[in-house]
Amino acid sequence: GENVEQHPSTLSVQEGDSAVIKCTYSDSASNYFPWYKQELGKGPQLIIDIRSNVGEKKDQRIAVTLNKTAKHFSLHITETQPEDSAVYFCAARRGNTGTASKLTFGTGTRLQVTL
Amino acid sequence: DGGITQSPKYLFRKEGQNVTLSCEQNLNHDAMYWYRQDPGQGLRLIYYSQIVNDFQKGDIAEGYSVSREKKESFPLTVTSAQKNPTAFYLCASRETSLGYGYTFGSGTRLTVV
Repeated sequence: GENVEQHPSTLSVQEGDSAVIKCTYSDSASNYFPWYKQELGKGPQLIIDIRSNVGEKKDQRIAVTLNKTAKHFSLHITETQPEDSAVYFCAARRGNTGTASKLTFGTGTRLQVTL
Repeated sequence: DGGITQSPKYLFRKEGQNVTLSCEQNLNHDAMYWYRQDPGQGLRLIYYSQIVNDFQKGDIAEGYSVSREKKESFPLTVTSAQKNPTAFYLCASRETSLGYGYTFGSGTRLTVV
């Protein structure tokens, strides 16, 4: 089955700096890669996603890049703010129905933005 | 507003008891999922359902059971056979025909006392 590794497990940056979180996946058939943000005591919220036919996607201060050859994808947050502090999860999936529709998650990165 | 609701937010269980966690969605989503979250680990899939009256085991289904009698509801029962049930449980749903994203509920924290 799919295996997703995520690094680093914790990340501390100063307000205004950039943060980068990296994930690798094992199943070359995976074609959908979402990123979730989870605040304390809450469920994860989708912040950005990318499909395998695209190399990069941006949404304001957030961007995701995908390298299919190397089987890794990254989350980039620019001009970080205190409200960006949360746990971020990457995930991968290879299809839309049946067993392929399962999302496999990374182990999470705790991002702390300090003043 | 459409959304996915989990209840209760906190649940305490005695050793040997079964407990049921509720998950209700009014998003008209076809697929629903239950994940377990432990500190320092990612979300692990317990069960999922693509359509009413059908569900499949995930990666850690032992000690859990589910039902999908209505499209809107996907309750999870944690049985006494689950040896380490203390965890944060998350329910999610997805519209299979439109896109790939999950919508998560706010979770239920289960503690064995």
